[in-house]
Amino acid sequence: EMYMEESGGGLVQTGGSLTLSCAFSGHNFKKPWMSWVRQAPGKGLEWVGRIKRKSDGGTTDYAAPVKGRFTISRDDSSDILFLQMNSLKTEDTGMYYCATDPIPTEEWESLRRPSWGQGTLVTVSS
Amino acid sequence: SYELTQPPSVSVSPGQTARITCSGDALPKQYAYWYQQKSGQAPVLVIYEDKKRPSGIPDRFSGSSSGTMATLTITGAQVEDEGDYYCYSTDSGGDLGVFGAGTQVTVL
Repeated sequence: EMYMEESGGGLVQTGGSLTLSCAFSGHNFKKPWMSWVRQAPGKGLEWVGRIKRKSDGGTTDYAAPVKGRFTISRDDSSDILFLQMNSLKTEDTGMYYCATDPIPTEEWESLRRPSWGQGTLVTVSS
Repeated sequence: SYELTQPPSVSVSPGQTARITCSGDALPKQYAYWYQQKSGQAPVLVIYEDKKRPSGIPDRFSGSSSGTMATLTITGAQVEDEGDYYCYSTDSGGDLGVFGAGTQVTVL
């Protein structure tokens, strides 16, 4: 069973920056792909982006609304995922969830089955 | 940009079958995942890889996928199954993730 715990949320002004962290565990021998998902108040889920594990290139992909402003990184020595958010806008307000991203070709079923944290709240105010 | 289309709402009586559809052009090539979200709570995975059920999820939840449509079926829906349901998949290249807009399920 995979576990994730997000931290770093809070109140920030428009144009400001904030970095979220996510400590993950339970993956045994192989590292997971990791992603961020957000949810604005009263709205649906929105995929933010993903970072693959180093053995798969460590590459990142981002949703269009955050591309160029947000950066996902990971420290696999400490099993921590980061989301660096710059040039924040009021529409970035919401709950941010850390989740494992399913690896379709992975033989380990636990890495093909997503797991989520409980989220951390980000409020961007003008 | 790639989109997944879900009906905004589904309403059934207790004990009836609720079916929630999710359509997307890449679904013949990519898996669908389904999440249940109750008010004020984090989403919970109920189906992964089109039809697999995580441990702890009641067997009244099932999934299927055919062509460009994935379906989540709740057979014998119960009041506690009320909530929002989201499908998730990726574009044809597997690079970008996307969620459907969500379906509000009412059981009454």
